[in-house]
Amino acid sequence: GAGVSQSPSNKVTEKGKDVELRCDPISGHTALYWYRQSLGQGLEFLIYFQGNSAPDKSGLPSDRFSAERTGGSVSTLTIQRTQQEDSAVYLCASLPMTSGDYEQYFGPGTRLTVT
Amino acid sequence: AQKVTQAQTEISVVEKEDVTLDCVYETRDTTYYLFWYKQPPSGELVFLIRRNSFDEQNEISGRYSWNFQKSTSSFNFTITASQVVDSAVYFCALRLGHAGGTSYGKLTFGQGTILTVHP
Repeated sequence: GAGVSQSPSNKVTEKGKDVELRCDPISGHTALYWYRQSLGQGLEFLIYFQGNSAPDKSGLPSDRFSAERTGGSVSTLTIQRTQQEDSAVYLCASLPMTSGDYEQYFGPGTRLTVT
Repeated sequence: AQKVTQAQTEISVVEKEDVTLDCVYETRDTTYYLFWYKQPPSGELVFLIRRNSFDEQNEISGRYSWNFQKSTSSFNFTITASQVVDSAVYFCALRLGHAGGTSYGKLTFGQGTILTVHP
């Protein structure tokens, strides 16, 4: 079946502009995660969705970052007033909530470059 | 808080050599899962293995093997007879095992080890 998809695959934006990154999880997966991979920082957790609610937003680096999920499916990560330090690859992952023994399925990521 | 440490930032080997990637983790929980992911140059994270905290059996899959030792909080990954296609960044990760919690399923990653296999 289809895996996790993300769009766009690449995004170049000017400092100060807003950007939206999209994640389509695997159908039926109720849990969705956003991670960020930047040089020197490794892979960092940003936010976790269970259905449409976000029980854990602890990884969002500032109030310029927000995310929502609608219909228990698609999620959008929005970065307002982008800064150069926001340049990174943003990864989305999903998984089912029906079992404890599973692995997260990752999308291909969106590479964001802020100039 | 959980922590995963991959002390080896970069490893370079010649094809057919064996190589071991180290992973040390910290958690106070007794139920947890450990993972290894591979990130080839294409960028996508590829799942390699999952191991739960109650299963310390080592595992072998082809040229890959994993050694889990709770006594030393380590989950090391060995590639036997390495090949150029093994060149990638390898991540070790930890997830707690409590279902339904606020951080359910959240992965804590190590910094990654860049493996380069030369022909």
